[in-house]
Amino acid sequence: KQEVTQIPAALSVPEGENLVLNCSFTDSAIYNLQWFRQDPGKGLTSLLLIQSSQREQTSGRLNASLDKSSGRSTLYIAASQPGDSATYLCAVTRGAQKLVFGQGTRLTINP
Amino acid sequence: EAQVTQNPRYLITVTGKKLTVTCSQNMNHEYMSWYRQDPGLGLRQIYYSMNVEVTDKGDVPEGYKVSRKEKRNFPLILESPSPNQTSLYFCASSPRDKLAYTFGSGTRLTVV
Repeated sequence: KQEVTQIPAALSVPEGENLVLNCSFTDSAIYNLQWFRQDPGKGLTSLLLIQSSQREQTSGRLNASLDKSSGRSTLYIAASQPGDSATYLCAVTRGAQKLVFGQGTRLTINP
Repeated sequence: EAQVTQNPRYLITVTGKKLTVTCSQNMNHEYMSWYRQDPGLGLRQIYYSMNVEVTDKGDVPEGYKVSRKEKRNFPLILESPSPNQTSLYFCASSPRDKLAYTFGSGTRLTVV
Protein backbone atom coordinates (compact mmCIF):
# COMPACT_ATOMS: atom_id res chain seq x y z
CA LYS A 1 0.00 0.00 0.00
CA GLN A 2 1.36 3.37 -1.05
CA GLU A 3 2.03 5.76 1.83
CA VAL A 4 3.10 9.37 1.47
CA THR A 5 4.80 11.29 4.27
CA GLN A 6 5.52 15.00 4.45
CA ILE A 7 8.03 16.47 6.84
CA PRO A 8 7.86 18.84 8.59
CA ALA A 9 4.18 19.05 9.47
CA ALA A 10 4.56 22.78 10.07
CA LEU A 11 7.21 25.33 9.22
CA SER A 12 7.54 29.01 10.09
CA VAL A 13 10.22 31.17 8.46
CA PRO A 14 10.91 34.88 7.99
CA GLU A 15 10.11 36.52 4.69
CA GLY A 16 12.81 36.30 2.06
CA GLU A 17 14.23 32.93 3.06
CA ASN A 18 14.62 30.04 0.68
CA LEU A 19 13.02 26.85 1.97
CA VAL A 20 12.55 23.19 1.17
CA LEU A 21 9.53 21.02 1.79
CA ASN A 22 9.95 17.26 1.78
CA CYS A 23 7.76 14.43 0.54
CA SER A 24 8.54 10.71 0.67
CA PHE A 25 6.61 7.74 -0.68
CA THR A 26 6.95 4.03 -0.02
CA ASP A 27 6.31 2.54 -3.47
CA SER A 28 8.53 3.85 -6.26
CA ALA A 29 6.21 2.52 -8.99
CA ILE A 30 4.46 5.85 -9.48
CA TYR A 31 3.11 7.44 -12.66
CA ASN A 32 3.67 11.02 -11.54
CA LEU A 33 3.85 13.29 -8.51
CA GLN A 34 1.89 16.48 -8.05
CA TRP A 35 2.40 19.34 -5.58
CA PHE A 36 -0.65 21.32 -4.48
CA ARG A 37 -1.27 24.38 -2.39
CA GLN A 38 -4.31 24.69 -0.12
CA ASP A 39 -5.38 27.89 1.59
CA PRO A 40 -7.49 27.53 4.75
CA GLY A 41 -10.95 26.21 3.93
CA LYS A 42 -10.28 26.44 0.22
CA GLY A 43 -9.67 24.09 -2.67
CA LEU A 44 -6.43 22.63 -3.93
CA THR A 45 -4.40 24.53 -6.48
CA SER A 46 -1.97 22.51 -8.56
CA LEU A 47 1.55 23.94 -8.43
CA LEU A 48 3.76 21.47 -10.25
CA LEU A 49 3.43 18.07 -11.89
CA ILE A 50 6.45 15.81 -12.33
CA GLN A 51 6.10 12.82 -14.62
CA SER A 52 7.90 9.67 -13.46
CA SER A 53 10.45 10.04 -16.27
CA GLN A 54 11.34 13.58 -15.20
CA ARG A 55 13.70 14.72 -12.47
CA GLU A 56 12.38 18.22 -11.85
CA GLN A 57 9.94 20.93 -12.81
CA THR A 58 10.11 24.68 -12.31
CA SER A 59 7.48 27.39 -12.18
CA GLY A 60 8.55 30.86 -11.16
CA ARG A 61 10.02 30.72 -7.66
CA LEU A 62 9.07 27.07 -7.25
CA ASN A 63 11.18 24.07 -8.14
CA ALA A 64 10.16 20.48 -7.51
CA SER A 65 12.48 17.51 -7.82
CA LEU A 66 11.74 13.81 -7.97
CA ASP A 67 13.98 10.86 -7.10
CA LYS A 68 11.91 7.76 -7.71
CA SER A 69 14.59 5.31 -6.64
CA SER A 70 14.78 6.79 -3.16
CA GLY A 71 11.06 7.61 -2.98
CA ARG A 72 11.57 11.31 -2.40
CA SER A 73 10.46 14.66 -3.75
CA THR A 74 11.31 18.15 -2.62
CA LEU A 75 9.59 21.47 -3.24
CA TYR A 76 11.98 24.40 -3.17
CA ILE A 77 10.53 27.88 -2.67
CA ALA A 78 12.88 30.76 -3.36
CA ALA A 79 12.66 34.19 -1.76
CA SER A 80 9.56 33.33 0.28
CA GLN A 81 6.75 35.90 0.64
CA PRO A 82 3.87 36.19 3.14
CA GLY A 83 1.51 35.24 0.31
CA ASP A 84 3.20 31.84 0.17
CA SER A 85 1.65 30.97 3.55
CA ALA A 86 -0.57 27.94 3.00
CA THR A 87 -0.60 24.17 3.37
CA TYR A 88 1.42 22.35 0.75
CA LEU A 89 0.39 18.84 -0.22
CA CYS A 90 2.17 16.30 -2.33
CA ALA A 91 0.36 13.43 -4.01
CA VAL A 92 1.49 10.49 -6.09
CA THR A 93 -0.42 8.73 -8.83
CA ARG A 94 0.18 5.09 -9.48
CA GLY A 95 -2.70 3.99 -11.63
CA ALA A 96 -5.12 6.28 -13.35
CA GLN A 97 -7.66 6.22 -10.64
CA LYS A 98 -6.21 7.62 -7.48
CA LEU A 99 -4.03 10.25 -5.93
CA VAL A 100 -2.44 9.28 -2.63
CA PHE A 101 -1.83 12.37 -0.53
CA GLY A 102 0.56 13.23 2.23
CA GLN A 103 -0.75 15.00 5.32
CA GLY A 104 0.73 18.29 4.18
CA THR A 105 3.15 20.89 5.48
CA ARG A 106 1.60 24.03 6.94
CA LEU A 107 3.86 26.90 5.94
CA THR A 108 3.87 30.33 7.57
CA ILE A 109 5.97 33.15 6.19
CA ASN A 110 6.47 35.94 8.72
CA PRO A 111 6.79 39.52 7.42
CA GLU B 1 -11.93 29.42 -17.88
CA ALA B 2 -11.00 25.76 -17.38
CA GLN B 3 -12.42 24.65 -14.07
CA VAL B 4 -14.15 22.10 -11.89
CA THR B 5 -17.32 23.50 -10.36
CA GLN B 6 -18.92 22.08 -7.24
CA ASN B 7 -22.24 23.04 -5.73
CA PRO B 8 -23.16 23.88 -3.11
CA ARG B 9 -20.10 25.35 -1.38
CA TYR B 10 -21.67 24.96 2.05
CA LEU B 11 -24.46 22.67 3.20
CA ILE B 12 -25.99 21.92 6.57
CA THR B 13 -28.47 19.08 6.62
CA VAL B 14 -30.13 16.66 9.01
CA THR B 15 -29.46 12.98 9.45
CA GLY B 16 -31.23 10.83 6.88
CA LYS B 17 -32.20 13.55 4.40
CA LYS B 18 -30.96 12.60 0.95
CA LEU B 19 -28.67 15.09 -0.74
CA THR B 20 -26.63 15.49 -3.90
CA VAL B 21 -23.44 17.44 -4.38
CA THR B 22 -22.90 18.33 -8.00
CA CYS B 23 -19.59 18.41 -9.86
CA SER B 24 -19.05 19.63 -13.39
CA GLN B 25 -15.89 20.11 -15.44
CA ASN B 26 -15.49 21.98 -18.72
CA MET B 27 -12.17 20.48 -19.82
CA ASN B 28 -13.46 17.31 -21.50
CA HIS B 29 -11.55 15.21 -18.95
CA GLU B 30 -12.09 11.47 -18.90
CA TYR B 31 -11.20 10.88 -15.24
CA MET B 32 -13.17 12.25 -12.32
CA SER B 33 -12.96 11.54 -8.59
CA TRP B 34 -14.45 12.48 -5.27
CA TYR B 35 -12.37 12.97 -2.13
CA ARG B 36 -13.16 13.86 1.43
CA GLN B 37 -10.78 15.73 3.71
CA ASP B 38 -10.83 15.28 7.46
CA PRO B 39 -8.46 16.61 10.14
CA GLY B 40 -5.79 14.06 10.95
CA LEU B 41 -6.89 11.75 8.15
CA GLY B 42 -6.00 13.88 5.15
CA LEU B 43 -7.61 13.44 1.74
CA ARG B 44 -9.19 10.08 0.97
CA GLN B 45 -10.80 8.94 -2.24
CA ILE B 46 -14.50 8.07 -2.14
CA TYR B 47 -15.29 7.09 -5.74
CA TYR B 48 -13.75 7.55 -9.13
CA SER B 49 -14.80 7.33 -12.77
CA MET B 50 -12.63 6.61 -15.77
CA ASN B 51 -15.29 7.54 -18.33
CA VAL B 52 -19.01 7.74 -18.93
CA GLU B 53 -20.84 4.87 -17.21
CA VAL B 54 -17.57 3.59 -15.68
CA THR B 55 -17.30 4.11 -11.92
CA ASP B 56 -15.61 2.29 -9.06
CA LYS B 57 -15.08 2.49 -5.33
CA GLY B 58 -12.21 4.31 -3.74
CA ASP B 59 -10.98 3.90 -0.18
CA VAL B 60 -14.06 5.11 1.72
CA PRO B 61 -17.17 4.47 -0.42
CA GLU B 62 -19.59 3.44 2.35
CA GLY B 63 -22.65 5.68 2.48
CA TYR B 64 -22.06 7.28 -0.92
CA LYS B 65 -23.23 6.76 -4.48
CA VAL B 66 -22.11 8.29 -7.74
CA SER B 67 -23.15 8.28 -11.37
CA ARG B 68 -21.49 9.33 -14.61
CA LYS B 69 -24.16 9.71 -17.26
CA GLU B 70 -22.40 12.55 -19.04
CA LYS B 71 -18.70 13.16 -19.42
CA ARG B 72 -18.77 16.56 -17.74
CA ASN B 73 -20.83 15.70 -14.64
CA PHE B 74 -20.07 13.45 -11.68
CA PRO B 75 -22.56 13.97 -8.83
CA LEU B 76 -22.01 12.59 -5.34
CA ILE B 77 -25.15 11.26 -3.68
CA LEU B 78 -25.66 10.68 0.03
CA GLU B 79 -28.84 8.61 0.31
CA SER B 80 -29.07 8.78 4.11
CA PRO B 81 -26.43 11.15 5.51
CA SER B 82 -25.04 10.57 8.97
CA PRO B 83 -22.97 12.85 11.23
CA ASN B 84 -19.77 10.92 10.41
CA GLN B 85 -20.11 12.19 6.85
CA THR B 86 -19.55 15.73 8.05
CA SER B 87 -16.46 16.70 6.05
CA LEU B 88 -14.93 18.85 3.32
CA TYR B 89 -15.55 17.25 -0.07
CA PHE B 90 -13.58 17.78 -3.25
CA CYS B 91 -14.24 16.79 -6.82
CA ALA B 92 -11.29 16.43 -9.19
CA SER B 93 -10.80 15.70 -12.88
CA SER B 94 -7.90 14.78 -15.12
CA PRO B 95 -7.27 14.10 -18.78
CA ARG B 96 -6.59 10.45 -19.47
CA ASP B 97 -3.25 11.06 -21.16
CA LYS B 98 -1.57 13.17 -18.48
CA LEU B 99 -3.03 12.41 -15.03
CA ALA B 100 -2.77 16.04 -13.95
CA TYR B 101 -5.64 16.63 -11.58
CA THR B 102 -7.66 19.82 -11.25
CA PHE B 103 -9.71 20.22 -8.10
CA GLY B 104 -12.93 22.04 -7.38
CA SER B 105 -13.25 24.62 -4.60
CA GLY B 106 -14.80 22.16 -2.19
CA THR B 107 -18.12 21.57 -0.46
CA ARG B 108 -18.25 21.83 3.31
CA LEU B 109 -20.98 19.48 4.50
CA THR B 110 -22.32 19.38 8.04
CA VAL B 111 -24.77 16.65 9.03
CA VAL B 112 -26.59 17.23 12.33
